Formats: sequence, C-alpha cells, structure tokens
Amino acid sequence: AQKITQTQPGMFVQEKEAVTLDCTYDTSDPSYGLFWYKQPSSGEMIFLIYQGSYDQQNATEGRYSLNFQKARKSANLVISASQLGDSAMYFCAMREGGKLGAQKLVFGQGTRLTINP
Amino acid sequence: DTEVTQTPKHLVMGMTNKKSLKCEQHMGHRAMYWYKQKAKKPPELMFVYSYEKLSINESVPSRFSPECPNSSLLNLHLHALQPEDSALYLCASSQELATYEQYFGPGTRLTVT
Repeated sequence: AQKITQTQPGMFVQEKEAVTLDCTYDTSDPSYGLFWYKQPSSGEMIFLIYQGSYDQQNATEGRYSLNFQKARKSANLVISASQLGDSAMYFCAMREGGKLGAQKLVFGQGTRLTINP
Repeated sequence: DTEVTQTPKHLVMGMTNKKSLKCEQHMGHRAMYWYKQKAKKPPELMFVYSYEKLSINESVPSRFSPECPNSSLLNLHLHALQPEDSALYLCASSQELATYEQYFGPGTRLTVT
C-alpha cells in the first residue's frame, strides 16, 4: 500500500490565484512528520514546509501553508497568490517515527503545477 | 548557508567505466543521504549515513558503492553500471537523522551508454 498519495498528476492555475495540492498519507505510527518539496526543471529539491504529527497548529511559511487534517490523514499544500515561478513538480513526503522509520523520507508521486500568465 | 553541492552536474559513462559522484555540505550536518530519481518519478532512497557510518542500504546493487570520508563529504562510486541506472542522483543532508528537513543538492544527471 502506498504511504503517500498525491491524486493530481497535473494542475493548471492562473497567475495570482490560490492553489491547493492534495496529499493523503497512511501510517499507524503516532509520531510522524510531513513535508512538501518543490522540484523545478533544474532538478534540485527545495524544502517548503514541515508539519509534525503532534503540532497543534497548521504550518505556514510565507505564501505556503499546510492544511493538516489528522483524522482524514491529509496534508494539503496551499499556495496563495501563485506566481509564474511556482511552476514545478511538488512532492509530498513523510517520515515516520521509530529508529528505522525516522531515517527514511517516503515521497508521493508528485503533482506538476503549471502557472499560466 | 543551506547549500549542498554536487559534482559533476552531468555524467555520461560506459558500462565498463568507473566513476564517482561527489557531494559536499558545510552546514555541520551529521546525516547524509543518496537518492536515485528516474524521470517523472519521486526520489528513492539508496543510502543513509549518520556520523560517517552507513546506517541504511536500501538493497542497492553492489555496483553502487557509497563512501563517507568525513562529515562534510559523501561519495558514490560507480562501476559496471547498466543503462537502466541512468537517472538523477540526489544527495541530501540533515542536522541529525531524525531532524525535520533534509536539504538537497542540485543532483547529478547520469547517463549510462
């Protein structure tokens, strides 16, 4: 079973609109962390935002916020006021707890976001 | 400075060649990682080093040989690769094994002919 599911292979959004990228996860571990990374065509993975399973509030970083719904096991990324430079592949990832799980970052299949002018 | 550097950027090698990929970070991070990423796929973990010791080998074929000579440097030695090994190889580092984020380098695009 997939641990991280991103159901949107591609999304097209008009510049300046807000966009939500979906991510659901599967784990029985009470301690885990959720991450979003951006990968432009150049290849580098850029860390965007982190949410811990025990965090009470949704994480925010500038134009990025994470809509964390623990009961639904979802961790959607919201980008406000999208810009042309936001066009990239976006990966949701999870790190579980435990000695072995904590060392591994498991990625979803990614969503390719295209911002149209 | 949250920079991880990787050299070379691009590498083309034959199946009988021996080459090495290099990764460097000067953030004082004690955990370093190698990932392999095929086109249109997510990165897949290959190796994890913690305090210069190999912590995880994700059943990677022995034609890939990692090495961590010091806390700032991570190498991946390549020998007798196959065309299906062509991919983007990403290096990452984190403060410790279980800390929040991993910082990635720009990757090496490897083509095996």
